[in-house]
Amino acid sequence: SQQGEEDPQALSIQEGENATMNCSYKTSINNLQWYRQNSGRGLVHLILIRSNEREKHSGRLRVTLDTSKKSSSLLITASRAADTASYFCATGPRAGGFKTIFGAGTRLFVKA
Amino acid sequence: DAGITQSPRHKVTETGTPVTLRCHQTENHRYMYWYRQDPGHGLRLIHYSYGVKDTDKGEVSDGYSVSRSKTEDFLLTLESATSSQTSVYFCAISEPDLDNEQFFGPGTRLTVL
Repeated sequence: SQQGEEDPQALSIQEGENATMNCSYKTSINNLQWYRQNSGRGLVHLILIRSNEREKHSGRLRVTLDTSKKSSSLLITASRAADTASYFCATGPRAGGFKTIFGAGTRLFVKA
Repeated sequence: DAGITQSPRHKVTETGTPVTLRCHQTENHRYMYWYRQDPGHGLRLIHYSYGVKDTDKGEVSDGYSVSRSKTEDFLLTLESATSSQTSVYFCAISEPDLDNEQFFGPGTRLTVL
């Protein structure tokens, strides 16, 4: 079974609105990463948050991590049509492991 | 996609034929991965490599084999292709000292008829 599960599966918003995507996971992690995938392309790394961090910002992205609830959220502020893509969370395991486990993704559609 | 190429980018083949997909990197990253992506499943790990000649199975390895004879190349072989292996295949690389952030290739769309 997958480690990360995103919610919602799909999200449609107007340009300028904020988009929030959530991710839940099951086991202890070293870090949690968010990736973006445009249609027909490979995944691109957006942001990483370590297990000892609670919040991180990068441009219009804000990521939070709650290890007690085993959940994370990705907020995209002031969305643009170009943000239309699928977004995946991925968990990096503890204890020196390197197998990152990906969720099924949230499809975001931003209407111009 | 810089530094990672996959070949071929598209392939149509028939059930029962062997197929080999190639991933080539110029980043000298130690770890390489093969994933498949199917609707509703996200990315699922097929095999991975943690060094030359060092490989291990992922969660969906049945029907697949891999080889890594050089740091820069990671080959995925479908020994006898089946229709259930129709998918988009992604190669990725990472370096554990860099928080294991993964960098992805552009993908190979494989159709097995």
